[in-house]
Amino acid sequence: GQQLNQSPQSMFIQEGEDVSMNCTSSSIFNTWLWYKQDPGEGPVLLIALYKAGELTSNGRLTAQFGITRKDSFLNISASIPSDVGIYFCAGQLTGSNYKLTFGKGTLLTVNP
Amino acid sequence: DSGVTQTPKHLITATGQRVTLRCSPRSGDLSVYWYQQSLDQGLQFLIQYYNGEERAKGNILERFSAQQFPDLHSELNLSSLELGDSALYFCASSVGPGGPYEQYFGPGTRLTVT
Repeated sequence: GQQLNQSPQSMFIQEGEDVSMNCTSSSIFNTWLWYKQDPGEGPVLLIALYKAGELTSNGRLTAQFGITRKDSFLNISASIPSDVGIYFCAGQLTGSNYKLTFGKGTLLTVNP
Repeated sequence: DSGVTQTPKHLITATGQRVTLRCSPRSGDLSVYWYQQSLDQGLQFLIQYYNGEERAKGNILERFSAQQFPDLHSELNLSSLELGDSALYFCASSVGPGGPYEQYFGPGTRLTVT
């Protein structure tokens, strides 16, 4: 089945630093989604990407849909303490079923 | 607030028991998805319903079943519970086929089987 490799597993950074995380897949997706999850809460959608090569921003967050359709990355600029949480990538094949295949997540810790 | 509601927030029950988790999708969304999140398996897709009909199945055990009602709320039934069923269960909703395809997640139900 489809597998997503998300890296890094965890990051410890200082407030104000930029962050980059990525996901790679063994097969193609035609939608990539990035979510953030706080402890005990549900994943919150950050960015959705629909076209290969697409670059989309949401405030300090920027995500790109890889040209091969097998990868995506998420950048966070000028991190702040409230960026702490687990970030998940998810791939979706629309047109058949619409289930999301999730990466294992990146745990981000921001030191003030 | 995603607009997806789930009840209960927490559920503690014993092995062998049966429980029902409830989900109400965002207003206007016709598709409901159930996911299980555990430490070892991460977030795993269980089952999808669209407008009352089952659309797709993932890694859902035979002891588990779900349905979507005419008012579009969904219930996930877990029976003959085992210790390993302890996990967070999330419901997500989206508009449905034809897009947009973003899925919005509820706050989850934490199930503890003792």
